[in-house]
Amino acid sequence: ELKVEQNPLFLSMQEGKNYTIYCNYSTTSDRLYWYRQDPGKSLESLFVLLSNGAVKQEGRLMASLDTKARLSTLHITAAVHDLSATYFCAVDPGAQKLVFGQGTRLTINP
Amino acid sequence: EPEVTQTPSHQVTQMGQEVILRCVPISNHLYFYWYRQILGQKVEFLVSFYNNEISEKSEIFDDQFSVERPDGSNFTLKIRSTKLEDSAMYFCASSGTRLAGYYEQYFGPGTRLTVT
Repeated sequence: ELKVEQNPLFLSMQEGKNYTIYCNYSTTSDRLYWYRQDPGKSLESLFVLLSNGAVKQEGRLMASLDTKARLSTLHITAAVHDLSATYFCAVDPGAQKLVFGQGTRLTINP
Repeated sequence: EPEVTQTPSHQVTQMGQEVILRCVPISNHLYFYWYRQILGQKVEFLVSFYNNEISEKSEIFDDQFSVERPDGSNFTLKIRSTKLEDSAMYFCASSGTRLAGYYEQYFGPGTRLTVT
């Protein structure tokens, strides 16, 4: 059974700082997604990573995938308050479903 | 831009009652999904549906649950005899044809189900 684990689960940081969220998964997959969720809202797609070594960047967020290590990272550069949200990684095991991590609740303080 | 819609946004029901959650997927999509998220927890896969049949389901999706595409546009999740632990946000998603080796799933806004 595929397991997806994120850490940390809670992250409180100051504006302007950098930090990384980690997503580990237990079985082979080369398709990994990052989503953002604001409280009470739906899932907003951030990144789709499709191969080993894939790196994607959008604004202050950068995601990467290492399929050999079964690890993806979401790096936040010079955080701003607007990035406060819960971030989920999800792995596609090739069975027409997504398996989600527990989510990382990110709070960015002024 | 096309989007997945869900109704109602919030449904309150009594334990033991049946509920039907409705979704309108993106019009040219072929694959449909239901996920649920208990408050404060992760998103869990329930079921996927393709070509008018279930293609994958999780352990959560037991005989209490059923899905249907009654017409060309709606996709429904029925929960028979609801339990307190069914209280959650239910998300519908759809995806289209396989592009670049993957199917990107687009999520609806969710239906919050409260069982009292």
